[in-house]
Amino acid sequence: QSVLTQPPSVSGAPGQRVTISCTGSSSNIGAGYHVHWYRQLPGTAPKLLIYGNSNRPSGVPDRFSGSKSGTSASLAITGLQTEDEADYYCHSYDSSLNDYVVFGGGTKLTVL
Amino acid sequence: QVQLVESGGDVVQPGGSLRLSCAASGFTFSTYGMHWVRQPPGKGLEWVAFIRSDGSNKRYADSVKGRFTISRDNSKNTLYLQMNSLRAEDTAVYYCAKDVAAATVDYFDYWGQGTLVTVSS
Repeated sequence: QSVLTQPPSVSGAPGQRVTISCTGSSSNIGAGYHVHWYRQLPGTAPKLLIYGNSNRPSGVPDRFSGSKSGTSASLAITGLQTEDEADYYCHSYDSSLNDYVVFGGGTKLTVL
Repeated sequence: QVQLVESGGDVVQPGGSLRLSCAASGFTFSTYGMHWVRQPPGKGLEWVAFIRSDGSNKRYADSVKGRFTISRDNSKNTLYLQMNSLRAEDTAVYYCAKDVAAATVDYFDYWGQGTLVTVSS
């Protein structure tokens, strides 16, 4: 299983707010390493959504926000739109592993 | 605009070899670290390898160490992944991804469209 734990799926209705959690440990998120988020639309490559825990690249709407506390991080999406239906992955660094680049297992967001 | 275009994916038998390429454009390739990340069919992302901007430092996931080699040709703006002793579990879409840093691993700001490697007899 993945070093970073995400729920396999979340869902929400258009206009609602959803959050996706990313739980790590003292050797990754809890050690102070940044968390980044990527969105993967069906059949396409991942795309950067949030970097450095809470920063949005240009072009990413402010409906998307990230936060980090302790050994966990969260991605929040407000004003859900049908085009938000995608897979979301968190990413961080782990100092205890040789595979120091670690991803969460991914969360499938379904917009009902 | 930044473009990363992978090529070289194919169907190969177990134990075989394959070389993937990633042609970069739209940025100064020689000043950024680069990665390969793979995604088995229907599964999540797995980091494979990293190479520093000047090629002097390389890191590999344990699952591919000793079998895969990452390299780059900054004169051709191209990243490579030489894959030997391929196994069924290496079947995946392979993405090249650009790091925002030159010498350390940070995060991936651009990804290619991916190339499919299928290991099967």
